[in-house]
Amino acid sequence: QKEVEQNSGPLSVPEGAIASLNCTYSDRVSQSFFWYRQYSGKSPELIMSIYSNGDKEDGRFTAQLNKASQYVSLLIRDSQPSDSATYLCAVNSQAGTALIFGKGTTLSVSS
Amino acid sequence: ETGVTQSPTHLIKTRGQQVTLRCSSQSGHNTVSWYQQALGQGPQFIFQYYREEENGRGNFPPRFSGLQFPNYSSELNVNALELDDSALYLCASSLVGDEQFFGPGTRLTVL
Repeated sequence: QKEVEQNSGPLSVPEGAIASLNCTYSDRVSQSFFWYRQYSGKSPELIMSIYSNGDKEDGRFTAQLNKASQYVSLLIRDSQPSDSATYLCAVNSQAGTALIFGKGTTLSVSS
Repeated sequence: ETGVTQSPTHLIKTRGQQVTLRCSSQSGHNTVSWYQQALGQGPQFIFQYYREEENGRGNFPPRFSGLQFPNYSSELNVNALELDDSALYLCASSLVGDEQFFGPGTRLTVL
Protein backbone atom coordinates (compact mmCIF):
# COMPACT_ATOMS: atom_id res chain seq x y z
CA GLN A 1 0.00 0.00 0.00
CA LYS A 2 1.60 3.22 -1.19
CA GLU A 3 1.32 5.87 1.51
CA VAL A 4 2.03 9.54 1.99
CA GLU A 5 2.27 10.76 5.57
CA GLN A 6 1.89 14.29 6.87
CA ASN A 7 1.38 15.75 10.33
CA SER A 8 -2.23 16.92 10.44
CA GLY A 9 -1.39 19.92 12.60
CA PRO A 10 -2.56 22.49 13.16
CA LEU A 11 0.77 24.20 12.66
CA SER A 12 0.57 27.69 14.08
CA VAL A 13 3.12 30.38 13.20
CA PRO A 14 3.15 34.16 13.68
CA GLU A 15 3.03 36.47 10.70
CA GLY A 16 6.46 36.90 9.14
CA ALA A 17 7.84 33.58 10.43
CA ILE A 18 8.95 30.57 8.41
CA ALA A 19 6.45 27.71 8.21
CA SER A 20 7.92 24.25 7.66
CA LEU A 21 5.69 21.47 6.35
CA ASN A 22 6.90 17.90 6.08
CA CYS A 23 5.90 14.79 4.18
CA THR A 24 7.21 11.23 3.89
CA TYR A 25 6.29 8.66 1.27
CA SER A 26 6.57 4.90 1.11
CA ASP A 27 7.04 4.13 -2.61
CA ARG A 28 10.77 4.33 -3.37
CA VAL A 29 10.27 4.53 -7.13
CA SER A 30 8.11 7.68 -6.99
CA GLN A 31 9.46 10.31 -9.37
CA SER A 32 7.27 13.40 -9.05
CA PHE A 33 6.28 15.33 -5.96
CA PHE A 34 3.78 18.12 -5.52
CA TRP A 35 2.48 20.54 -2.93
CA TYR A 36 -1.10 21.74 -3.15
CA ARG A 37 -2.77 24.42 -1.06
CA GLN A 38 -6.45 23.99 -0.20
CA TYR A 39 -8.52 26.73 1.40
CA SER A 40 -11.56 25.65 3.38
CA GLY A 41 -14.41 24.73 1.05
CA LYS A 42 -12.25 25.09 -2.07
CA SER A 43 -10.38 22.71 -4.35
CA PRO A 44 -6.61 22.04 -4.19
CA GLU A 45 -4.35 24.55 -5.96
CA LEU A 46 -0.92 23.46 -7.21
CA ILE A 47 1.81 25.63 -5.69
CA MET A 48 5.01 23.62 -6.19
CA SER A 49 6.30 20.61 -8.08
CA ILE A 50 9.72 19.01 -7.61
CA TYR A 51 11.31 16.11 -9.45
CA SER A 52 14.98 15.92 -8.41
CA ASN A 53 16.86 15.95 -5.12
CA GLY A 54 17.61 19.33 -3.61
CA ASP A 55 15.78 22.60 -3.28
CA LYS A 56 13.44 24.41 -5.63
CA GLU A 57 12.45 27.98 -4.89
CA ASP A 58 9.46 29.95 -6.18
CA GLY A 59 8.91 33.29 -4.50
CA ARG A 60 8.29 32.73 -0.80
CA PHE A 61 8.01 28.96 -1.28
CA THR A 62 10.86 26.43 -1.24
CA ALA A 63 10.31 22.74 -1.84
CA GLN A 64 12.98 20.29 -0.69
CA LEU A 65 13.31 16.69 -1.84
CA ASN A 66 15.45 13.89 -0.43
CA LYS A 67 14.72 10.66 -2.28
CA ALA A 68 17.13 8.60 -0.16
CA SER A 69 15.17 9.52 2.96
CA GLN A 70 11.83 9.51 1.07
CA TYR A 71 11.13 12.97 2.41
CA VAL A 72 9.64 16.11 0.90
CA SER A 73 9.21 19.44 2.63
CA LEU A 74 7.76 22.86 1.92
CA LEU A 75 9.08 26.03 3.50
CA ILE A 76 7.01 29.20 3.44
CA ARG A 77 9.04 32.31 4.22
CA ASP A 78 7.52 35.54 5.57
CA SER A 79 4.25 33.73 6.30
CA GLN A 80 1.09 35.78 5.82
CA PRO A 81 -2.41 35.28 7.24
CA SER A 82 -3.50 34.54 3.65
CA ASP A 83 -1.25 31.44 3.77
CA SER A 84 -3.60 29.91 6.36
CA ALA A 85 -4.89 26.79 4.61
CA THR A 86 -4.42 23.03 4.42
CA TYR A 87 -1.29 21.97 2.54
CA LEU A 88 -1.48 18.65 0.73
CA CYS A 89 1.60 16.65 -0.25
CA ALA A 90 1.11 14.46 -3.33
CA VAL A 91 3.32 11.85 -4.94
CA ASN A 92 2.98 10.53 -8.46
CA SER A 93 2.59 6.76 -8.60
CA GLN A 94 4.99 4.54 -10.47
CA ALA A 95 2.59 4.34 -13.38
CA GLY A 96 2.55 8.11 -13.61
CA THR A 97 -1.20 8.36 -13.42
CA ALA A 98 -2.52 8.57 -9.90
CA LEU A 99 -1.51 11.20 -7.40
CA ILE A 100 -1.28 9.72 -3.92
CA PHE A 101 -2.13 12.40 -1.34
CA GLY A 102 -1.40 12.78 2.32
CA LYS A 103 -4.19 13.90 4.63
CA GLY A 104 -2.80 17.42 4.67
CA THR A 105 -1.33 19.76 7.27
CA THR A 106 -3.42 22.69 8.45
CA LEU A 107 -1.39 25.89 8.73
CA SER A 108 -2.60 28.86 10.75
CA VAL A 109 -0.73 32.17 10.46
CA SER A 110 -1.64 34.69 13.12
CA SER A 111 -1.28 38.45 12.63
CA GLU B 1 -6.79 30.04 -21.40
CA THR B 2 -9.82 28.39 -19.84
CA GLY B 3 -9.29 26.49 -16.60
CA VAL B 4 -10.91 23.27 -15.46
CA THR B 5 -14.65 23.53 -14.93
CA GLN B 6 -17.03 21.12 -13.20
CA SER B 7 -20.80 20.84 -12.95
CA PRO B 8 -22.90 20.86 -10.96
CA THR B 9 -21.43 22.68 -7.95
CA HIS B 10 -23.61 20.91 -5.42
CA LEU B 11 -25.86 17.89 -5.64
CA ILE B 12 -28.16 16.13 -3.19
CA LYS B 13 -29.24 12.55 -3.92
CA THR B 14 -30.81 9.74 -1.96
CA ARG B 15 -29.35 6.31 -1.33
CA GLY B 16 -29.68 3.98 -4.31
CA GLN B 17 -29.91 6.73 -6.91
CA GLN B 18 -27.47 7.35 -9.75
CA VAL B 19 -25.47 10.52 -10.40
CA THR B 20 -23.44 11.97 -13.29
CA LEU B 21 -20.77 14.59 -12.71
CA ARG B 22 -19.16 16.54 -15.53
CA CYS B 23 -15.75 18.05 -16.13
CA SER B 24 -14.24 20.17 -18.88
CA SER B 25 -10.47 20.00 -19.06
CA GLN B 26 -8.12 22.96 -19.36
CA SER B 27 -7.31 24.06 -22.87
CA GLY B 28 -4.45 21.98 -24.30
CA HIS B 29 -4.80 19.13 -21.78
CA ASN B 30 -5.64 15.61 -22.95
CA THR B 31 -5.92 13.76 -19.64
CA VAL B 32 -8.60 13.89 -16.96
CA SER B 33 -8.32 12.33 -13.51
CA TRP B 34 -11.10 12.02 -10.95
CA TYR B 35 -10.64 12.08 -7.18
CA GLN B 36 -12.94 11.70 -4.17
CA GLN B 37 -12.20 13.81 -1.11
CA ALA B 38 -13.98 12.99 2.12
CA LEU B 39 -14.07 15.58 4.88
CA GLY B 40 -10.71 15.92 6.60
CA GLN B 41 -8.96 13.59 4.16
CA GLY B 42 -6.71 13.99 1.16
CA PRO B 43 -8.15 13.32 -2.30
CA GLN B 44 -8.31 9.64 -3.30
CA PHE B 45 -7.73 8.62 -6.91
CA ILE B 46 -10.75 7.10 -8.66
CA PHE B 47 -9.52 6.78 -12.26
CA GLN B 48 -7.86 8.59 -15.12
CA TYR B 49 -8.82 8.95 -18.78
CA TYR B 50 -6.39 9.57 -21.60
CA ARG B 51 -7.49 9.75 -25.23
CA GLU B 52 -10.93 8.40 -24.30
CA GLU B 53 -9.51 5.26 -22.64
CA GLU B 54 -9.24 4.45 -18.92
CA ASN B 55 -5.56 4.87 -18.06
CA GLY B 56 -5.46 3.74 -14.45
CA ARG B 57 -7.95 3.07 -11.68
CA GLY B 58 -7.86 3.34 -7.91
CA ASN B 59 -9.51 1.13 -5.33
CA PHE B 60 -13.12 2.01 -6.15
CA PRO B 61 -15.93 -0.46 -6.98
CA PRO B 62 -17.29 -0.89 -10.53
CA ARG B 63 -20.34 1.24 -9.74
CA PHE B 64 -17.93 4.15 -10.24
CA SER B 65 -17.52 4.52 -14.00
CA GLY B 66 -16.42 7.19 -16.38
CA LEU B 67 -16.15 8.46 -19.91
CA GLN B 68 -13.93 10.83 -21.83
CA PHE B 69 -15.14 12.53 -24.97
CA PRO B 70 -13.18 13.56 -28.10
CA ASN B 71 -12.93 17.13 -26.79
CA TYR B 72 -11.28 15.67 -23.62
CA SER B 73 -14.19 16.53 -21.36
CA SER B 74 -15.22 13.76 -19.00
CA GLU B 75 -18.05 12.32 -16.94
CA LEU B 76 -18.03 10.42 -13.67
CA ASN B 77 -21.03 8.17 -13.09
CA VAL B 78 -21.86 6.61 -9.74
CA ASN B 79 -24.61 4.00 -9.52
CA ALA B 80 -26.44 2.71 -6.45
CA LEU B 81 -25.34 5.62 -4.28
CA GLU B 82 -24.36 4.88 -0.70
CA LEU B 83 -24.18 7.26 2.25
CA ASP B 84 -20.36 6.98 2.23
CA ASP B 85 -20.30 8.38 -1.30
CA SER B 86 -20.97 11.81 0.20
CA ALA B 87 -17.81 13.77 -0.59
CA LEU B 88 -16.20 16.44 -2.75
CA TYR B 89 -15.56 15.05 -6.22
CA LEU B 90 -12.60 16.63 -7.94
CA CYS B 91 -11.61 16.55 -11.56
CA ALA B 92 -8.02 17.32 -12.56
CA SER B 93 -6.73 17.91 -16.04
CA SER B 94 -3.19 17.53 -17.31
CA LEU B 95 -0.99 16.34 -20.09
CA VAL B 96 -0.43 12.63 -19.38
CA GLY B 97 2.10 12.15 -16.60
CA ASP B 98 2.40 15.89 -15.95
CA GLU B 99 1.19 18.33 -13.29
CA GLN B 100 -2.51 18.01 -12.51
CA PHE B 101 -4.74 21.06 -12.12
CA PHE B 102 -8.01 20.75 -10.26
CA GLY B 103 -11.42 22.11 -11.02
CA PRO B 104 -13.63 23.65 -8.32
CA GLY B 105 -15.23 20.31 -7.46
CA THR B 106 -18.74 18.97 -7.04
CA ARG B 107 -20.07 18.54 -3.51
CA LEU B 108 -22.25 15.42 -3.42
CA THR B 109 -24.52 14.73 -0.46
CA VAL B 110 -26.25 11.34 -0.23
CA LEU B 111 -29.20 11.15 2.16
